[in-house]
Amino acid sequence: KAGVTQTPRYLIKTRGQQVTLSCSPISGHRSVSWYQQTPGQGLQFLFEYFSETQRNKGNFPGRFSGRQFSNSRSEMNVSTLELGDSALYLCASSSASGPNYEQYFGPGTRLTVT
Amino acid sequence: DQQVKQNSPSLSVQEGRISILNCDYTNSMFDYFLWYKKYPAEGPTFLISISSIKDKNEDGRFTVFLNKSAKHLSLHIVPSQPGDSAVYFCAASKPGGGSEKLVFGKGTKLTVNP
Repeated sequence: KAGVTQTPRYLIKTRGQQVTLSCSPISGHRSVSWYQQTPGQGLQFLFEYFSETQRNKGNFPGRFSGRQFSNSRSEMNVSTLELGDSALYLCASSSASGPNYEQYFGPGTRLTVT
Repeated sequence: DQQVKQNSPSLSVQEGRISILNCDYTNSMFDYFLWYKKYPAEGPTFLISISSIKDKNEDGRFTVFLNKSAKHLSLHIVPSQPGDSAVYFCAASKPGGGSEKLVFGKGTKLTVNP
């Protein structure tokens, strides 16, 4: 089975721009979660999608948004980029929602905002 | 307010010795705990988990111990191997499921020296 894929792997953007990141989950997985990893904060939950519906959202401003398509692929969008948005964005998929279902992480997208 | 704390940002051990990674939590509602391992340029991979109804879970060289009264868990790796060198994240979840309830620590970088 192919693992979780994320595109692009690296991205450099300028303050004020917007960015869209993509995540393709493992085939058959319906839950996709997004996390932001920074050296100072570790992994922080952004949001989770399950069957095209956002289940929950973490404590991030409205500039961070996402969606999930019928094939379970997910995108996250960050508008009006700030320097502090520079981070590794990780996507994880699981067969169902809930921590007891193992989450499989993708390699991440490294976003640098200049 | 950091609910899951990994107070040691780094740990260095000799090959063949025991590695002990520690994690403290503050929220007594957490009932499920996980450890993830992360290599550079890769996403975290699930390592081992433990439910709050247990105090120990073992999987090969990896053992997780949970002390609920102290709100403390630890991951023991015996014997340590150079391939274990990675960043280890502790995570905790509350009842009700949903990955939004998965709270990660900031990680501990383990280096196993040959």
